[in-house]
Amino acid sequence: QKEVEQDPGPLSVPEGAIVSLNCTYSNSAFQYFMWYRQYSRKGPELLMYTYSSGNKEDGRFTAQVDKSSKYISLFIRDSQPSDSATYLCAMRDTGNQFYFGTGTSLTVIP
Amino acid sequence: DTEVTQTPKHLVMGMTNKKSLKCEQHMGHRAMYWYKQKAKKPPELMFVYSYEKLSINESVPSRFSPECPNSSLLNLHLHALQPEDSALYLCASSPTGGLVGYTFGSGTRLTVV
Repeated sequence: QKEVEQDPGPLSVPEGAIVSLNCTYSNSAFQYFMWYRQYSRKGPELLMYTYSSGNKEDGRFTAQVDKSSKYISLFIRDSQPSDSATYLCAMRDTGNQFYFGTGTSLTVIP
Repeated sequence: DTEVTQTPKHLVMGMTNKKSLKCEQHMGHRAMYWYKQKAKKPPELMFVYSYEKLSINESVPSRFSPECPNSSLLNLHLHALQPEDSALYLCASSPTGGLVGYTFGSGTRLTVV
């Protein structure tokens, strides 16, 4: 079993839709949770990070962590064509190593 | 400065060539990383440097040789690569602890012919 599981999609939504992206994990030692956005042929860009269960909001993005269920989500409100990218979840224990999900490819159709 | 800068952006090399990838950051991060990413796959960790010392080597073939000359620079020396080594090579940095993620560079797209 992989440490981090993420549905690869692809996911296609109309502009303005609410997008829900999810990851599950198996390692209880993970304490820090991140979402990265990666445009084609570019490096990943950190969108959100959190360490506690609950919600964290930043503009149109909300990151949700449920440590009891080992489940994290990223919600994108009022999705825009510029949100079309691959979204990677990542997790970290107390060390320096990060564990990535496989990424979900999102297309927002104008 | 909140960026990780990688050079070159693109590199084509023959299987007998020797080349180097360079990475630079001025955020004071003391952990630096090399990742390899194939198309439609997540980044795969290759090496981790912590305080300029190699702390993790994920069983990477010896044709890849990392070097961390100082706290701001990270190099990846390439020699006798194979076509299957063609990929996007990403450098990243982070503080060695705390509530932050990696900052990635834009990567070097390497093609081995």
